[in-house]
Amino acid sequence: NAGVTQTPKFQVLKTGQSMTLQCAQDMNHEYMSWYRQDPGMGLRLIHYSVGAGITDQGEVPNGYNVSRSTTEDFPLRLLSAAPSQTSVYFCASRGVGADYGYTFGSGTRLTVV
Amino acid sequence: GIQVEQSPPDLILQEGANSTLRCNFSDSVNNLQWFHQNPWGQLINLFYIPSGTKQNGRLSATTVATERYSLLYISSSQTTDSGVYFCAVGKSGTASKLTFGTGTRLQVTL
Repeated sequence: NAGVTQTPKFQVLKTGQSMTLQCAQDMNHEYMSWYRQDPGMGLRLIHYSVGAGITDQGEVPNGYNVSRSTTEDFPLRLLSAAPSQTSVYFCASRGVGADYGYTFGSGTRLTVV
Repeated sequence: GIQVEQSPPDLILQEGANSTLRCNFSDSVNNLQWFHQNPWGQLINLFYIPSGTKQNGRLSATTVATERYSLLYISSSQTTDSGVYFCAVGKSGTASKLTFGTGTRLQVTL
């Protein structure tokens, strides 16, 4: 039972490069989200999805794209990396039901130089 | 959007001591969760508690929704309790959208 798997764990990009952060869950959860964590600011929501084919913007969506073609996968794309996107990125999922507990991945530490 | 404030921002305890962490929020919510981020960065869901009281071992939480606050109690603290504790809230109809506080950093010493 892997839970929420994020890859890669670490990444260094040059300004202007693009990349995709992968997130996969094996719990058949409907809801998935991407957050970024910056020092002293807690976690902020980037994009979220309430099911396959349905995505929406969170608090800080600029510079990021998402898609949800399957229930299991929710990749986050950085279109043209900027130093301001240096952060730790977390993917989370939860199922539909009485228990709204979220499961988080272990994070991706991204540095843009 | 909803504002979430946590206090205290930092806390140092000796092993065995008890503590209370507070989370205030600015609007009515139907989703409130407490998370622990360990020193290795992993986020662990502690409680889903939009109202009422729950207990899990040495940890318990109480949310008074009408007064817009939640408390997390840690009893007989251990060094493994060290890390950052986050409160996160969500409003009705936005079940996937959690707003996080800035956390309480806890250090438990021997």
